[in-house]
Amino acid sequence: LAKTTQPISMDSYEGQEVNITCSHNNIATNDYITWYQQFPSQGPRFIIQGYKTKVTNEVASLFIPADRKSSTLSLPRVSLSDTAVYYCLVAFTGGGNKLTFGTGTQLKVEL
Amino acid sequence: DVKVTQSSRYLVKRTGEKVFLECVQDMDHENMFWYRQDPGLGLRLIYFSYDVKMKEKGDIPEGYSVSREKKERFSLILESASTNQTSMYLCASSGRGRGANTEAFFGQGTRLTVV
Repeated sequence: LAKTTQPISMDSYEGQEVNITCSHNNIATNDYITWYQQFPSQGPRFIIQGYKTKVTNEVASLFIPADRKSSTLSLPRVSLSDTAVYYCLVAFTGGGNKLTFGTGTQLKVEL
Repeated sequence: DVKVTQSSRYLVKRTGEKVFLECVQDMDHENMFWYRQDPGLGLRLIYFSYDVKMKEKGDIPEGYSVSREKKERFSLILESASTNQTSMYLCASSGRGRGANTEAFFGQGTRLTVV
């Protein structure tokens, strides 16, 4: 399974755009990139998933360059409630397989 | 509303006890997972199952076993609880098919304390 590397922590202010980058140098052809969000005392929650180029939903955007060795989660105009841990996963989506989370990125949003 | 339900929110057990953590999902998902979460270590996969009666070791299976007799239920068993198994335990499930199996739904977690 592809290993991922992401910053341990990031700080931001309300209203700013936050970009969290994840490195996955040995991503395989059939792997997808998935991001999760976790608030304290809760289980992680799926945010967004993509294979290449750009994916956007009501919560975030995911940018994936052509070589797919990294990806960037973009959170537009963050608020205090976006303070959470964000996890990047790389996994094959075609069948049963283990989903391995890393240590994630602790995002802290301040006023 | 999709649901993954863990049997207990908080649990206190004694060293050496056999402990069962139960997880039930109502989404007819094929894949189910057990993780533990400790400060500074993130989420670590203990075991997962991709079908009834099937199980695969995750990254830290030592000291644990699992059971999946029915599709909706995945049990984590601590054969002889030890203090280093004090942790938050999280269960998750996901479907089968492109994209679906990496969109996992998590339960609220069981905070287990072994004394």
